[in-house]
Amino acid sequence: EAEVAQSPRYKITEKSQAVAFWCDPISGHATLYWYRQILGQGPELLVQFQDESVVDDSQLPKDRFSAERLKGVDSTLKIQPAELGDSAMYLCASSLDASGNTIYFGEGSWLTVV
Amino acid sequence: SQQGEEDPQALSIQEGENATMNCSYKTSINNLQWYRQNSGRGLVHLILIRSNEREKHSGRLRVTLDTSKKSSSLLITASRAADTASYFCASSRRNTPLVFGKGTRLSVIA
Repeated sequence: EAEVAQSPRYKITEKSQAVAFWCDPISGHATLYWYRQILGQGPELLVQFQDESVVDDSQLPKDRFSAERLKGVDSTLKIQPAELGDSAMYLCASSLDASGNTIYFGEGSWLTVV
Repeated sequence: SQQGEEDPQALSIQEGENATMNCSYKTSINNLQWYRQNSGRGLVHLILIRSNEREKHSGRLRVTLDTSKKSSSLLITASRAADTASYFCASSRRNTPLVFGKGTRLSVIA
């Protein structure tokens, strides 16, 4: 069964350092999402791509976060500089389109900022 | 901001019992979805119910939707220890991404 691939699975970084997460969605899925999930909370959308274009990044802290999906396939989420409050799980998900039907999640990347 | 709110926040039951979780949302929706998350893992889609449906079944899962009350419920029958997880509802509106609630943490004790 096709899966959304994410790496790294775990990352510990010092505050003020840069960190990057990578995601490879299910083949053929045009829509890609990055969610952030704080322990004990539900996922919150950071950014949504349709192919290579950003559709929604209203909740992305643009002073320190950036995301790209250059060829409309895999994607990178970067944080520079990392802050203690960025410690969370970063989840990538994909769907065939943005119609609001089922989305498929990767296993997530756990970030701890020390 | 999170659109959905699950209730209860945590639920502990014995194996074999039924588990019921509720979800409320704020605006009109196209569909409502339930996802499951095992500790430290990604979310897995369980079931989707459209706004014109009132009830849907999938195996041991039963979902209801009441659009007049803006609420949904997820029933897991004959629960097993392997059902221990967090369960999230997610509401979908046209051309907007899914918005997740805070989840219900279910513990099924063997």
